[in-house]
Amino acid sequence: GAGVSQSPRYKVAKRGQDVALRCDPISGHVSLFWYQQALGQGPEFLTYFQNEAQLDKSGLPSDRFFAERPEGSVSTLKIQRTQQEDSAVYLCASTVDPSSGNTIYFGEGSWLTVV
Amino acid sequence: AQSVSQHNHHVILSEAASLELGCNYSYGGTVNLFWYVQYPGQHLQLLLKYFSGDPLVKGIKGFEAEFIKSKFSFNLRKPSVQWSDTAEYFCAVNELLADKLIFGTGTRLQVFP
Repeated sequence: GAGVSQSPRYKVAKRGQDVALRCDPISGHVSLFWYQQALGQGPEFLTYFQNEAQLDKSGLPSDRFFAERPEGSVSTLKIQRTQQEDSAVYLCASTVDPSSGNTIYFGEGSWLTVV
Repeated sequence: AQSVSQHNHHVILSEAASLELGCNYSYGGTVNLFWYVQYPGQHLQLLLKYFSGDPLVKGIKGFEAEFIKSKFSFNLRKPSVQWSDTAEYFCAVNELLADKLIFGTGTRLQVFP
């Protein structure tokens, strides 16, 4: 399809396990974002890429969270040694250029449950 | 730091009722404002956005929002809701030329036939 694609859609991880979440942005979109949405809350910013450069990672909650976009297209969010508080929906979004008024498109999210 | 407040956490309406969802933000500079909607089981979709110009913005599906700078508000309205408007609604803001969106906690709207 033409939208932002995320996988896996659902992931159950045991506490302490490492997880990797993948995002395929819309083709040609330069900017890519990761957000975390806890139950009953709005999405909270994690990190932002422009092409392969990670320009803002101020929202990553700890050093267990790591994101990359090595070729400026697909991105992976990795969470090491998962904890129960990491349970959330992880949203990926992309846009041509957020500062120019272009719409930011969101994927359906990866639902992570840590047990 | 910027923040966005959505005062109505859960709104229940009958079809044909009018809707107004409140949104206030805290930031003194120039901002871009958005309303996103999330239908059950679906991804966030843009309803409407304000960047500049006419403070009354019209979006999809009959929604509109009014930017009142003096009140730091961007309330969402619809004159007559439908059952299909049942969804979660998120207000969001970003600073001019900034990257990230700051979201409110969302308002869950339930419309009964």
